[in-house]
Amino acid sequence: GQQVMQIPQYQHVQEGEDFTTYCNSSTTLSNIQWYKQRPGGHPVFLIQLVKSGEVKKQKRLTFQFGEAKKNSSLHITATQTTDVGTYFCAGPKGNKLVFGAGTILRVKS
Amino acid sequence: EAQVTQNPRYLITVTGKKLTVTCSQNMNHEYMSWYRQDPGLGLRQIYYSMNVEVTDKGDVPEGYKVSRKEKRNFPLILESPSPNQTSLYFCASSFDRVYSPLHFGNGTRLTVT
Repeated sequence: GQQVMQIPQYQHVQEGEDFTTYCNSSTTLSNIQWYKQRPGGHPVFLIQLVKSGEVKKQKRLTFQFGEAKKNSSLHITATQTTDVGTYFCAGPKGNKLVFGAGTILRVKS
Repeated sequence: EAQVTQNPRYLITVTGKKLTVTCSQNMNHEYMSWYRQDPGLGLRQIYYSMNVEVTDKGDVPEGYKVSRKEKRNFPLILESPSPNQTSLYFCASSFDRVYSPLHFGNGTRLTVT
């Protein structure tokens, strides 16, 4: 079953509103990766977090890795229509990279 | 251009007719993997390969086979496809299995009737 839980499954926001997706693992992760998949496209790597409590920013996107390295979040400030898509977190489990179920973001303009 | 190439992009077939989805990468990556994507379930790993001649099962390997005879190629084989294998398939590769980002192909949408 899914070993990396991601919520919410779906979010529909007004353009300009903020958006957050959360990722939780039952076990400690050595690192966590985030991907974005545009509608009809393939997942594209966004960022990797490695250190406990790490925070990284990419323009309007803020990524956090929890102190216990079991959870992570992606926050988008002032969403734009170009942000639409599905956001996935992924964490290594042995030799596998396990993905969360993803959060679908829709933005109303 | 660094890329992962999957073929075909779309495939419609009938139950029981063997098929192969090809995957090739030009980045000299050691790690390659196949995922299937289904609504609400995200990306689930089918098989992965750590290097040439080294393959292992992911979370949903039933009904699939793979081979890794060359570093660049990692085909996915469905010996006897069934309707529950209708899905969107992605091949991906990375430099190593844990700390390197995955590069995905464009996907193969398979329909089994």
